[in-house]
Amino acid sequence: DAMVIQNPRYQVTQFGKPVTLSCSQTLNHNVMYWYQQKSSQAPKLLFHYYDKDFNNEADTPDNFQSRRPNTSFCFLDIRSPGLGDAAMYLCATSGESGLNTEAFFGQGTRLTVV
Amino acid sequence: GNSVTQMEGPVTLSEEAFLTINCTYTATGYPSLFWYVQYPGEGLQLLLKATKADDKGSNKGFEATYRKETTSFHLEKGSVQVSDSAVYFCALIPHDSGAGSYQLTFGKGTKLSVIP
Repeated sequence: DAMVIQNPRYQVTQFGKPVTLSCSQTLNHNVMYWYQQKSSQAPKLLFHYYDKDFNNEADTPDNFQSRRPNTSFCFLDIRSPGLGDAAMYLCATSGESGLNTEAFFGQGTRLTVV
Repeated sequence: GNSVTQMEGPVTLSEEAFLTINCTYTATGYPSLFWYVQYPGEGLQLLLKATKADDKGSNKGFEATYRKETTSFHLEKGSVQVSDSAVYFCALIPHDSGAGSYQLTFGKGTKLSVIP
């Protein structure tokens, strides 16, 4: 019973060719996150949505954009992928702050740039 | 600011050995603490959590106790299996007020390899 679903699991794109990664959730959570994880590193937060409010991390490159058309779906757009953008991209969701808040992660999308 | 410090890996253990992965944190207020596990090629899965001081989280034989006095949340397992080989991330969510009070802060991760 997957609750956070990312598609595709593996994505190969050409250098400079726009690519979109998708994430959907069945948890009805307010908050959705996109993380970038490079090999042997911790996930790095790119941005998150609190409902429709978009929050960009200060060091997230402009090359990365996101859309959240409704509660269930969130997209990561990479406008001009470079070789350095090859990574695992993780989507996560959580409820509002509170003692029971925890983040639920999808399986991730492994992006390869050729 | 908030931060999580984990012991450096990789850690290699024989099957049935005892495991400890140290984790300490810095945070304002009283954060919730988590251990996530990442198997090769997969996303992160919540392993266990604790939301207040002296709480013990446990799952699949793993345990961690929220120690406010030492700001620690060390992960332990009495007898590891080959299937426990993965990367383990300690993380926190702060509960101070304001924006971002629900955002995870991760440690750098500790890779565990268990050999038969």
